[in-house]
Amino acid sequence: NAGVMQNPRHLVRRRGQEARLRCSPMKGHSHVYWYRQLPEEGLKFMVYLQKENIIDESGMPKERFSAEFPKEGPSILRIQQVVRGDSAAYFCASSLDQGEGYYGYTFGSGTRLTVV
Amino acid sequence: GEDVEQSLFLSVREGDSSVINCTYTDSSSTYLYWYKQEPGAGLQLLTYIFSNMDMKQDQRLTVLLNKKDKHLSLRIADTQTGDSAIYFCAESNDYKLSFGAGTTVTVRA
Repeated sequence: NAGVMQNPRHLVRRRGQEARLRCSPMKGHSHVYWYRQLPEEGLKFMVYLQKENIIDESGMPKERFSAEFPKEGPSILRIQQVVRGDSAAYFCASSLDQGEGYYGYTFGSGTRLTVV
Repeated sequence: GEDVEQSLFLSVREGDSSVINCTYTDSSSTYLYWYKQEPGAGLQLLTYIFSNMDMKQDQRLTVLLNKKDKHLSLRIADTQTGDSAIYFCAESNDYKLSFGAGTTVTVRA
């Protein structure tokens, strides 16, 4: 049973380009969470999605960032017109359902975005 | 300020015990977690503790929770070179985990 799969592992973009990060949840999981880790900081919550729905995007920057989790296929985190400050590691996690407080979910290996 | 705070670095001799400390501010935290991150890898859940517990032991790992002081610690007994990593403390009371900045543990021979 494969874990949470993220690709690409490393992504380099020039300023102004678009970055698309993909996350395939664990088999059977319909809840996906994206977190961002800036250099020398802990992970920060960005967005929580269920299939075809955004449940909570309170951690997403208001501009240039969007996320989706379609009925078929992986979840996508999209960053338009990237800037140097977007350079970070982006992690995805998944869960079977929304439990009753325990969220020790497993994270994928992350996508390390570098904006040059 | 940060909701979860940890010291940034810890150096320990192989075979000794490591103790990593964490403080948090949210008194409604339901679960508290310790994650391990090795270089270039994702976060691996090491252990967690429910807020109504004060201790949890799992092989070489012991978690202590002082809810009154909002203080969490992770003790690693008989520290090995493979324990060198960044350790993150996190807390939650719903699906959003709040993480500390991580403690880099270096194990020296």
